[in-house]
Amino acid sequence: KNEVEQSPQNLTAQEGEFITINCSYSVGISALHWLQQHPGGGIVSLFMLSSGKKKHGRLIATINIQEKHSSLHITASHPRDSAVYICAAHNTDKLIFGTGTRLQVFP
Amino acid sequence: NAGVTQTPKFQVLKTGQSMTLQCAQDMNHNSMYWYRQDPGMGLRLIYYSASEGTTDKGEVPNGYNVSRLNKREFSLRLESAAPSQTSVYFCASSAQGGTEAFFGQGTRLTVV
Repeated sequence: KNEVEQSPQNLTAQEGEFITINCSYSVGISALHWLQQHPGGGIVSLFMLSSGKKKHGRLIATINIQEKHSSLHITASHPRDSAVYICAAHNTDKLIFGTGTRLQVFP
Repeated sequence: NAGVTQTPKFQVLKTGQSMTLQCAQDMNHNSMYWYRQDPGMGLRLIYYSASEGTTDKGEVPNGYNVSRLNKREFSLRLESAAPSQTSVYFCASSAQGGTEAFFGQGTRLTVV
């Protein structure tokens, strides 16, 4: 069993839909990261959180430390949101990655 | 605003050849990392350096060596490339463990 599990692996949506991607982890963490990887391959950091909730534009990330679970929500999804979303647990000096969720948003 | 710079972006090697992937960051970060990304798998840590002068093995270190040349640069060396090392390699840095990580653009390596 992977230390960081994401679901679903693949997700398709119509433009405007509300999207939720889930991440569960089994290791102790100092922080949980959400990252975005576009088809070109580059990886950018979306959020880093250790408690509660963070919001940036249409993206919201939440974390429940007791349940070792985090969610990434996208409101009013748009085709430009199509990407792979990756969660990563920061464990001591290392990041442990989930396998990613491939999101496709169609017009 | 360079951030994390990796070179080269693409490389094809023959089995047994050697090469070094270069990574440099201009954010004065202490921690630097090398990951590989394979289809269907998450990024896996090869080696990391928590500070200048230190390096540690990650999850998949076999077949690789690293050098933390100075605070800015962290290189990854394949001494004798094997087809199993065909992958996309990412370098990353962070101020310290638990802070935001910044990634290079990746190196697509094919070993034939």
